[in-house]
Amino acid sequence: ILNVEQSPQSLHVQEGDSTNFTCSFPSSNFYALHWYRWETAKSPEALFVMTLNGDEKKKGRISATLNTKEGYSYLYIKGSQPEDSATYLCASANTGFQKLVFGTGTRLLVSP
Amino acid sequence: GAVVSQHPSRVICKSGTSVKIECRSLDFQATTMFWYRQFPKQSLMLMATSNEGSKATYEQGVEKDKFLINHASLTLSTLTVTSAHPEDSSFYICSARDLVGVENEQFFGPGTRLTVL
Repeated sequence: ILNVEQSPQSLHVQEGDSTNFTCSFPSSNFYALHWYRWETAKSPEALFVMTLNGDEKKKGRISATLNTKEGYSYLYIKGSQPEDSATYLCASANTGFQKLVFGTGTRLLVSP
Repeated sequence: GAVVSQHPSRVICKSGTSVKIECRSLDFQATTMFWYRQFPKQSLMLMATSNEGSKATYEQGVEKDKFLINHASLTLSTLTVTSAHPEDSSFYICSARDLVGVENEQFFGPGTRLTVL
């Protein structure tokens, strides 16, 4: 059974600050790592799907890195804006099952 | 693109009644849909995987006779909570995987908040 951990649980930053969160997952039988952004009362929005060790993906001010050997991924937000306020979820899938196991998320609040 | 709707968004029912939740992929075809449940301060937990035209696969500890899943078409899956009890009160959310999608990407609905009195 996969155990996916996210830290910190919550984060409060000021507009313009850069921030990052961590997602750790079991590295054995790794298949893919997903990042989602989830605003209240909306659907979780897919940010990245990452599969290769050392992979780095970017979407605007948001980027993510992946280390499959040690089992962690970082999500970075550069120059946080109030509209970045949301819960950021990561989920891991291992080979053979391909079903997603989620962490509990990091709740980000960006104050103007 | 890749929009998934879910209805209702919120439901309150009496203990012993059954509640049906619909999950639709609006602009793509989904061979596989997933149903998750989230209790307060916990992560999304997979309940079952639903494949079009076949029986759903339930996760360990999820009662298939209590949580009936039907995936009759490539765009619709339903979850029926039968004889609901207060302990079934939770947030239920579905996701769908695109037929031509890559890397197991799943697109989520907005979820349904179920409260059983």
